[in-house]
Amino acid sequence: DAKTTQPNSMESNEEEPVHLPCNHSTISGTDYIHWYRQLPSQGPEYVIHGLTSNVNNRMASLAIAEDRKSSTLILHRATLRDAAVYYCILRDGGAQKLVFGQGTRLTINP
Amino acid sequence: EPEVTQTPSHQVTQMGQEVILRCVPISNHLYFYWYRQILGQKVEFLVSFYNNEISEKSEIFDDQFSVERPDGSNFTLKIRSTKLEDSAMYFCASSFLLAGGPGGELFFGEGSRLTVL
Repeated sequence: DAKTTQPNSMESNEEEPVHLPCNHSTISGTDYIHWYRQLPSQGPEYVIHGLTSNVNNRMASLAIAEDRKSSTLILHRATLRDAAVYYCILRDGGAQKLVFGQGTRLTINP
Repeated sequence: EPEVTQTPSHQVTQMGQEVILRCVPISNHLYFYWYRQILGQKVEFLVSFYNNEISEKSEIFDDQFSVERPDGSNFTLKIRSTKLEDSAMYFCASSFLLAGGPGGELFFGEGSRLTVL
């Protein structure tokens, strides 16, 4: 599986922007970059995905580096509900699955 | 909003017993998955299922495990003879297209917690 590297944990304050980094230096040209999150005691939840261009949706923005070796998930205004483990995932070309790593545990302070 | 539903939410069983975990994926989805998460650990892939057959499985998914889509709406995971180490939260997921590509967003259920005594 294509590998990603994320910080184990991050902390931020409520109503401030949060930038969650992910390194994926071995990414291939056809790999999409996916972000999921897992709120406490819940199943994982899709956040956003992208290939080359930056992407925005109602939950977050995804900024992808020009060389695609890294990306950043941006929560524009964090709330307490955004406290979760965030996973950056690549799928290897023909794989029929997504593989979750350890992710980044995000803590939001009130 | 359509969602993936799982039953039971919690099952307690004795070691050696058979367990069936049930899932109702989102109705127009074509790909189905089971993942598990042992307490405090990461989410682990078990199996993916498409066109009524297993398309990929992990090393965890040994002969004790099987999956079935018996009636076009349910997707089940059976563990034939449970072991203590099978205690975990089991998540079902579905996607319209293949996971990881465009249209391949995974939608997860709330999970079934299995406790093996």
